[in-house]
This record gives sequence, structure tokens and C-alpha cells, in this order.
Amino acid sequence: QVQLVQSGSELKKPGASVKVSCKASGYTFTDYAINWVRQAPGQGLEWMGWINPKTGNPSYAQGFTGRFVFSLDTSVSTAYLQINSLKAEDTAVYYCARDFLTASFDSWGQGTLVTVSS
Amino acid sequence: QSALTQPASVSGSPGQSITISCTGTSSDVGGYNYVSWYQQHPGKAPKLIIYGVGNRPSGVSNRFSGSKSGNTASLAISGLQAEDEADYYCSSYTGRSTAFGGGTKLTVL
Repeated sequence: QVQLVQSGSELKKPGASVKVSCKASGYTFTDYAINWVRQAPGQGLEWMGWINPKTGNPSYAQGFTGRFVFSLDTSVSTAYLQINSLKAEDTAVYYCARDFLTASFDSWGQGTLVTVSS
Repeated sequence: QSALTQPASVSGSPGQSITISCTGTSSDVGGYNYVSWYQQHPGKAPKLIIYGVGNRPSGVSNRFSGSKSGNTASLAISGLQAEDEADYYCSSYTGRSTAFGGGTKLTVL
């Protein structure tokens, strides 16, 4: 079955970087875009952008340009989210999700909690 | 501020039916038939329950249904059950991106 498995929780200091992985299985990785979604504590879902698995071309939502980097390693069917220059307000659960039909996310990773604290 | 507007909370008794609205604009909900709904229980990842306005993924109960009129989409849940208590989010394609609603907390009384 389709499955997305994310890396574990991270505790980082302000100014550091973090890289979250999202390993896909159960389908052809290059057939479906991977999207990233943020959920701050007690808040709603926020779309961060997506990456085209065929071309590796990322597209970032407003507010997620500059410090956020999407990448792929198709040889291991894994997508990555890197956040640089971490700030306290980056503390959130980050989800990867498979887009199976134009902005319809049918499979989600379990989420990765990134905590930024000094 | 979310791009799509949902009520913060709704409630209903077991067996009753409820509806959750999701209001956007002609640039998102009204312009495309790519509205989805997600159910999220505390501490869990969101689960797709409706896609393409009114389609249910395999395995999702037929108590869930979706529709759209103009710039407003709606999720209806019939025969409320205790396990339906969760947060519900709508989303829509916007032409270049995806927008989420702010979420609605459903309480089953």
C-alpha cells in the first residue's frame, strides 16, 4: 500500500538548520508530486509548496521562500525539506503528502515535529 | 488569515446530520472543481475524505458527502458517530497553489 514515512522529531537551536525526510513506498515515486504542509501548535494546516518528482523542480508558497528548500533523491524514493536559519516560529509539525489529483492529498506522512528553542 | 473561510466549530448529537461550509472566491473554490476535505484527529495526520468536490476515496464512509455552489463548498456528515469528532479542513486548488481553510472542530455531543 502507499506509504510515506517521515524522519523523527528534531530539537534545534535558533539559527541552526534541519532536514526532514519523507520516504515513499508502494507506488512509483516519480508519478506523483510531493507536497509539504506545516501545522504550528494548535493551529491549522498551511500549504508550503510542492516538488515535481520527474524534474526535481520545487515551487514554494508565499511565506516559504528563501529559508525553505525542497529536494529529492529518486534513487531511494525520498523527498526532503530543509529549513535554514531556524526561528522559534518555525516550531511546528511538518507533513509530506502525495498529490494524486491536482491539490488532493491522498497519502500523508506521520508528521515530523520540529522544535526550535534555545 | 486562511484563504478559505470555515466556521470555527460545529456540533451535533449522535445520529444527526451536520454541514460544514468552506467559502472562497472565484479564484479558488468557485473556479475549479478541485476541492478536498480532510479529517484530522488529535495527534494524527490528516486523512482525505472528499476530493474533486464530491468524490470519496475508497474506504471512506458514505456518510460523508461533498458539494459546491458558487464560491462555497460544503461537507455533509450524516448519522453522526462519536468517532466523527475531529477537526475538518477544506482545501482548494487556486491555479498556482493550494489553499486550506482554517479548520472546523466538530464536537459530537
